[in-house]
Amino acid sequence: EVQLVESGGGLVQPGRSLKLSCAASGFTFSNYYMAWVRQAPKKGLEWVATISTSGSRTYYPDSVKGRFTISRDNAKSSLYLQMNSLKSEDTATYYCARHREWYFDFWGPGTMVTVSS
Amino acid sequence: DVVLTQSPATLSVTPGERISLSCRASESVDTYLHWYQQKPNESPRLLIKYASQSISGIPSRFSGSGSGTDFTLSINGVELEDLSIYYCQQGNSLPYTFGAGTKLELK
Repeated sequence: EVQLVESGGGLVQPGRSLKLSCAASGFTFSNYYMAWVRQAPKKGLEWVATISTSGSRTYYPDSVKGRFTISRDNAKSSLYLQMNSLKSEDTATYYCARHREWYFDFWGPGTMVTVSS
Repeated sequence: DVVLTQSPATLSVTPGERISLSCRASESVDTYLHWYQQKPNESPRLLIKYASQSISGIPSRFSGSGSGTDFTLSINGVELEDLSIYYCQQGNSLPYTFGAGTKLELK
């Protein structure tokens, strides 16, 4: 059974940094692209980042490019999201998702990030 | 960026009826259009991939159609457990984008 479990969320001040983690199990992690998708409170879904199987290629939307960095450790079956220069508009639940071709086939339960002073 | 417009924003339904949800893209996405269901306080779940391809474990009452810019998610015989928000997502071009969602509520 595919399982994705995020951690690392919490309350952080604007301008500060936070690193999220996602522990994967139930599949061969190194064979799949992985992604982060977020959802602001009572809002829709927004794709945040994708990383290739080896980690050599990463993709971001303009809203987070230059501030967020996605990475992975295939030996630990873990995915990460380093978030710098956080803004209030980054407040959201962050989901780790397995990225198949051009869709997301499994999602974790999410971790909440609140950016506020 | 490709904008996905979902309609209606909210749909009031009666159990057993057949319903259709719309997703319209601002430019062609071919069939790189996927549907997700999000129940209250849960993470999204993939329902349909590539506009019309079924997903293992998803009830057969869910089906999808369309290509290019116009897509439809149909539920043949709505059940109470289907009361959720439904999102479409395009994977044709970066950045990947989602529609704003259609909420199914009980009439």
